[in-house]
Amino acid sequence: DTAVSQTPKYLVTQMGNDKSIKCEQNLGHDTMYWYKQDSKKFLKIMFSYNNKELIINETVPNRFSPKSPDKAHLNLHINSLELGDSAVYFCASSQEGKLSGNTIYFGEGSWLTVV
Amino acid sequence: TQLLEQSPQFLSIQEGENLTVYCNSSSVFSSLQWYRQEPGEGPVLLVTVVTGGEVKKLKRLTFQFGDARKDSSLHITAAQPGDTGLYLCAGVTGTASKLTFGTGTRLQVTL
Repeated sequence: DTAVSQTPKYLVTQMGNDKSIKCEQNLGHDTMYWYKQDSKKFLKIMFSYNNKELIINETVPNRFSPKSPDKAHLNLHINSLELGDSAVYFCASSQEGKLSGNTIYFGEGSWLTVV
Repeated sequence: TQLLEQSPQFLSIQEGENLTVYCNSSSVFSSLQWYRQEPGEGPVLLVTVVTGGEVKKLKRLTFQFGDARKDSSLHITAAQPGDTGLYLCAGVTGTASKLTFGTGTRLQVTL
């Protein structure tokens, strides 16, 4: 069983479209994340949810809206896609409550290409 | 904004060689993690170092956390093709929710 699974793995879409990426974790973790990895492989956090509540919202355009229906799911919806949104989006999860050294488990990534 | 600079950015070496990857910051972190990411996959945690000056070994990989908890290094002895991948350091401030990734080092080990 995949611990953190996200779909779709590959997505090619036209500018202006709206798309969603879904994520599910079966680890029983209470915190989930969305990270964006650009073409230079720089990995940056976008959002973090703890028990369905938004706790981190980095400087991300309003076109990006995360939704957490329950603590095992965190979906990412993107409106009006732009060329610059092309990247790999990683969902991840961890168990909060430790002072440091939490292990974050990443999904396999969703390759988004906007044309 | 906390920034973690890794060096080198790219490294191509032959099997059997040794190498060191550096991760530097002007910020202090409560702990530091190292991840390896293979093509088409997400990053996988290798180790977490917590105490300033701490050294951890994972088979041929040796990780060190700087005394001031601002920097770290990863040393690989006798590199093998299976070590090929993107190595990312990540600084932890408080909890994992405050994880800042480094700029990455892409390692290629050839036969």
